[in-house]
Amino acid sequence: AQSVTQLGSHVSVSEGALVLLRCNYSSSVPPYLFWYVQYPNQGLQLLLKYTTGATLVKGINGFEAEFKKSETSFHLTKPSAHMSDAAEYFCAVREGFSGGYNKLIFGAGTRLAVHP
Amino acid sequence: GAVVSQHPSRVICKSGTSVKIECRSLDFQATTMFWYRQFPKQSLMLMATSNEGSKATYEQGVEKDKFLINHASLTLSTLTVTSAHPEDSSFYICSASQGGDTDTQYFGPGTRLTVL
Repeated sequence: AQSVTQLGSHVSVSEGALVLLRCNYSSSVPPYLFWYVQYPNQGLQLLLKYTTGATLVKGINGFEAEFKKSETSFHLTKPSAHMSDAAEYFCAVREGFSGGYNKLIFGAGTRLAVHP
Repeated sequence: GAVVSQHPSRVICKSGTSVKIECRSLDFQATTMFWYRQFPKQSLMLMATSNEGSKATYEQGVEKDKFLINHASLTLSTLTVTSAHPEDSSFYICSASQGGDTDTQYFGPGTRLTVL
């Protein structure tokens, strides 16, 4: 069965510093991987996704993630943090394509704080 | 594109009453819709998956008679919490997918349910 582990429930960075949010997955099939962001009292917004092809995936708001099969990782990065990046970030893996739909397994989430 | 709305955004009800939450895909046809529940500072828990025109598939431990899901059209799914109790208070989030192997789930903004 698929699973997702996000290392660090809280990450704090200074404005302008590198953002690194860690995600490791377990999957018995080639994984489809996702990063979502959630602002307070809102739903989830897709940042980026990896399905096949290029392992470095660029998303919205300057975020990118690299799929590393050998490390079973899909870490999210951003070169320079902005105050508006403060939010909850969720990594997810598609459980499988059965019955004609994708089922996502979410990690526990990482709360990113950005300090001036 | 890919906008999903939820209504209401916030609802307060008395114990024993029923509450209906609507999830709409505004600019695409959603063959599949998902309903999640999120407790404070926790990740999303999938409750059920619904395909248009067929019965919903509930996750283990979710009471289908308490959480009624209807997916009557390609743009609308509803979740009805029947005989609500304070322990049903939570943040309910829906997502919609066009289907297909690599398709993405697009999330609604969520509904905050408080049962008094």
